[in-house]
Amino acid sequence: SQTIHQWPATLVQPVGSPLSLECTVEGTSNPNLYWYRQAAGRGLQLLFYSVGIGQISSEVPQNLSASRPQDRQFILSSKKLLLSDSGFYLCAWSSGAGANVLTFGAGSRLTVL
Amino acid sequence: AQTVTQSQPEMSVQEAETVTLSCTYDTSESDYYLFWYKQPPSRQMILVIRQEAYKQQNATENRFSVNFQKAAKSFSLKISDSQLGDAAMYFCAHYPPDKLIFGTGTRLQVFP
Repeated sequence: SQTIHQWPATLVQPVGSPLSLECTVEGTSNPNLYWYRQAAGRGLQLLFYSVGIGQISSEVPQNLSASRPQDRQFILSSKKLLLSDSGFYLCAWSSGAGANVLTFGAGSRLTVL
Repeated sequence: AQTVTQSQPEMSVQEAETVTLSCTYDTSESDYYLFWYKQPPSRQMILVIRQEAYKQQNATENRFSVNFQKAAKSFSLKISDSQLGDAAMYFCAHYPPDKLIFGTGTRLQVFP
């Protein structure tokens, strides 16, 4: 069966520090991968999605970047965090072209101080 | 641009009663999918129900059903026989190719 792992679960970082959130999927190949952010009291905002290794689509210009170094690995990064980067980050996957049901990880709560 | 609008930030329902959550969307696609996801306090996103736009029949999953009005671009969720465990944030979402676009959510409270 397929599983999705996301870590760290909780992170507290100072302004200006770097960020790396990692997501991996097991039990499938060539998944579509997604990063969403959920700010306090708001909905889920799509940040990045990837339909294959090295293919990243950015939805919102911002302080963050994403990379997909391996088929089932998706990394969200920042060189210098801003206060506004605080939020709950969710990784998700779907089974590729034509599939549309997303399965989500447990999320990572980021607090920037 | 594809958008999803949930106009009810909060709703409440008595246990065993029925509640309807509203959702409208905007799209230029002719073939797409619509979803309702539930986010309980654990914050894990859970798929509740899915509707394919080319199907006229409304989707149902046990106590959950939708009222899909394609011409009006409306997609409401009806929860029958509400249970305490239904208390959560509910997100409507629209899937044009390759990505899922979410609304801002409706917080549902269930009172005993």
